[in-house]
Amino acid sequence: DAKTTQPTSMDCAEGRAANLPCNHSTISGNEYVYWYRQIHSQGPQYIIHGLKNNETNEMASLIITEDRKSSTLILPHATLRDTAVYYCIVRPNRDDKIIFGKGTRLHILP
Amino acid sequence: DAGITQSPRYKITETGRQVTLMCHQTWSHSYMFWYRQDLGHGLRLIYYSAAADITDKGEVPDGYVVSRSKTENFPLTLESATRSQTSVYFCASTPGVSYNEQFFGPGTRLTVL
Repeated sequence: DAKTTQPTSMDCAEGRAANLPCNHSTISGNEYVYWYRQIHSQGPQYIIHGLKNNETNEMASLIITEDRKSSTLILPHATLRDTAVYYCIVRPNRDDKIIFGKGTRLHILP
Repeated sequence: DAGITQSPRYKITETGRQVTLMCHQTWSHSYMFWYRQDLGHGLRLIYYSAAADITDKGEVPDGYVVSRSKTENFPLTLESATRSQTSVYFCASTPGVSYNEQFFGPGTRLTVL
């Protein structure tokens, strides 16, 4: 029973902002939204997480809607190295497990 | 600074054989995890461990055995390998439940003939 829904794949032009949507309409009050990515043949890599406020770090920005039922990961200036599968995950902050879905395959086009 | 390593990186074995995949981390992280990744299924949690001598089942534990006698090591054993266990296996670790990030190893590609 998937907790998140993401598009299977997306394209983005190099240098443009990549906006990756995630639907989590059944999110609970104590659940955070996490994003990981997996570059081909590598292990997943943590990107960012948030509860209800928008978050930004050196890799990306996370925009969470006011009702918390959806969010968007933003890569502000996509490069070819951002080509990867991006996973949106919801989990309580003190839960010891991460359950991955199938993610969005992002293609950055030169 | 080795971080988290997995061995072997590639393994070919035959149906019915026992195979052990090794995972070693140098950070003294409390938690360690094993995932498998198959086309069309994404990453699925097999087993995890909160500390030495504490292990728990994940989403797909059948056919696998784990142990955690030392904090830094978390081996995964396929007692009698089957073709359906052909997959890429990733190990991960994290300091604790309040830490937000899991750190992943490079993966082991296992083929069962």
